[in-house]
Amino acid sequence: QQQVKQSPQSLIVQKGGISIINCAYENTAFDYFPWYQQFPGKGPALLIAIRPDVSEKKEGRFTISFNKSAKQFSLHIMDSQPGDSATYFCAPPFLSGGYQKVTFGTGTKLQVIP
Amino acid sequence: GAGVSQSPSNKVTEKGKDVELRCDPISGHTALYWYRQSLGQGLEFLIYFQGNSAPDKSGLPSDRFSAERTGGSVSTLTIQRTQQEDSAVYLCASSAASVPYEQYFGPGTRLTVT
Repeated sequence: QQQVKQSPQSLIVQKGGISIINCAYENTAFDYFPWYQQFPGKGPALLIAIRPDVSEKKEGRFTISFNKSAKQFSLHIMDSQPGDSATYFCAPPFLSGGYQKVTFGTGTKLQVIP
Repeated sequence: GAGVSQSPSNKVTEKGKDVELRCDPISGHTALYWYRQSLGQGLEFLIYFQGNSAPDKSGLPSDRFSAERTGGSVSTLTIQRTQQEDSAVYLCASSAASVPYEQYFGPGTRLTVT
């Protein structure tokens, strides 16, 4: 299995601030590195993903930064809004038994206060 | 189009009873995953199907847990002789075989064992 360390476990940010969540992993595979967003009572949903051959990807207020040599990738939420309050999971890919898998991190609960 | 559906949405059962949880994946998705999520916790991988076969059952916590998939579509997760520690939300996800990082999740089944 893949060891994944996600930090922080929880985060409180003022509206308009920047939220930063980090993910460290052990094994690599050539596949996209995704972040998922989960609202209470719902299943997780893919938020944004980055190819391993680029260092940064931006989609609106969400940015993934990828440091392949350090085996880390992070999620930045600019101008955080109360509607961003959710739990965020990283899911780095790895090879196991001849096929690609993902392992979900432990999650970061984000609360954006007005 | 239709997303991943799961039934029932809630299930309350007595300790020692058997339960069946159903998952209908997105049409055409050959990969199907079952996860377990305890309150406020991360996603615990249970089993992965590619078509009707399960190349990875490594996450099933005990032999009381089993799953099958028929016709490359619907999957059923069965828990025999339920225990209180089985109480959790059981999530199903599906993906195209070539895109394991892009999983589409159902809303989950909340299982409560009394």
